[in-house]
Amino acid sequence: ETGVTQTPRHLVMGMTNKKSLKCEQHLGHNAMYWYKQSAKKPLELMFVYNFKEQTENNSVPSRFSPECPNSSHLFLHLHTLQPEDSALYLCASSQTPLEGGKGTQYFGPGTRLTVL
Amino acid sequence: GNSVTQMEGPVTLSEEAFLTINCTYTATGYPSLFWYVQYPGEGLQLLLKATKADDKGSNKGFEATYRKETTSFHLEKGSVQVSDSAVYFCARTTSGTYKYIFGTGTRLKVLA
Repeated sequence: ETGVTQTPRHLVMGMTNKKSLKCEQHLGHNAMYWYKQSAKKPLELMFVYNFKEQTENNSVPSRFSPECPNSSHLFLHLHTLQPEDSALYLCASSQTPLEGGKGTQYFGPGTRLTVL
Repeated sequence: GNSVTQMEGPVTLSEEAFLTINCTYTATGYPSLFWYVQYPGEGLQLLLKATKADDKGSNKGFEATYRKETTSFHLEKGSVQVSDSAVYFCARTTSGTYKYIFGTGTRLKVLA
């Protein structure tokens, strides 16, 4: 069971294209995350939003631009990407750490991105 | 620093075999510990978790015990099934932050 949806599930784009990934959570959570999952690498945390405010940017290149208009929606805007950006992009959500860091992240199914 | 180390995969077992996937962590503070599972073509799903020392998380026949003295959270299952074939990720939090640290994942393949 997942209350986190992502669209599209698959995306192929050229290096000069502009596209956006969308994530929506139906769990009433306040924190949302973008991760990059590449083959044979640990999950890379890209961005964290809490109550629509960005709280973490893990040195992500500016060709990735996040947007969080409200606590339920998260976007990742893509432009002038490189082939090495091809990966599975995962969205996740959780409650704010009011439990002292004991919260659980819930993941969406991911968008498989291929950059030609 | 804060990190999570998992055993290298892939792990290949026959159906009904015993499974252990090792996970150790380094951390300051008192992290919560998790095992997530990723089936082919899907995102990560929470499998089990433990929030303090000596807690045992369990779900679907899988178990893991939070061992503070050995900083470990090894995943075990007594009898694996073909449907358990997936990638398993160990992860931890740190109190007061939104950051989750994940291991590199261990691929499990169960043969009929």
